[in-house]
Amino acid sequence: KQEVTQIPAALSVPEGENLVLNCSFTDSAIYNLQWFRQDPGKGLTSLLLIQSSQREQTSGRLNASLDKSSGRSTLYIAASQPGDSATYLCAVPNDAGGTSYGKLTFGQGTILTVHP
Amino acid sequence: EAQVTQNPRYLITVTGKKLTVTCSQNMNHEYMSWYRQDPGLGLRQIYYSMNVEVTDKGDVPEGYKVSRKEKRNFPLILESPSPNQTSLYFCASSLGLTTEAFFGQGTRLTVV
Repeated sequence: KQEVTQIPAALSVPEGENLVLNCSFTDSAIYNLQWFRQDPGKGLTSLLLIQSSQREQTSGRLNASLDKSSGRSTLYIAASQPGDSATYLCAVPNDAGGTSYGKLTFGQGTILTVHP
Repeated sequence: EAQVTQNPRYLITVTGKKLTVTCSQNMNHEYMSWYRQDPGLGLRQIYYSMNVEVTDKGDVPEGYKVSRKEKRNFPLILESPSPNQTSLYFCASSLGLTTEAFFGQGTRLTVV
């Protein structure tokens, strides 16, 4: 059964810092890994999808890396801003051999606070 | 604009009163699913659908029903809501089973 873990659970940084959020998964047979952002009481916004064949994916100040063999992904946020404050979630889909094919297994999230 | 739309956004209801949360997507996606999010438990899948008239249970299906009569719509039905179904609900859709997933804005349900 796939398990996804995110560390740290919470992170507080001053504006302007570069930061790294970590995501690990137990079953390396994944098709892709997706990073989401969730604002309090709001929906999930897709940030980046990184395919299993890719090592990196970039969007603006965000960069996600994937190391399938070690079961890890990192989300790098450059020059953080107060508007980046949110919960960041990573998720991987179930593979074809299991039940609930396509179900996303989520980590518990990292709560990020960027203070001015 | 490509989006997943849920309604209502907020709902307070009483135990046993049937309710439906609607979900609609305008991206012609085949795969749709429902999740609930609870503190300490994270996001858990309730039901999913791989296409019209094809649905299956997720991890926590008890107390819920779904239907997929049209490709764009995937309503979640609570026939007899109970307080333990108080939660934040999300509908999601994707083109395929392993492509980018898009989520609705969420429905906060309180059952008293």
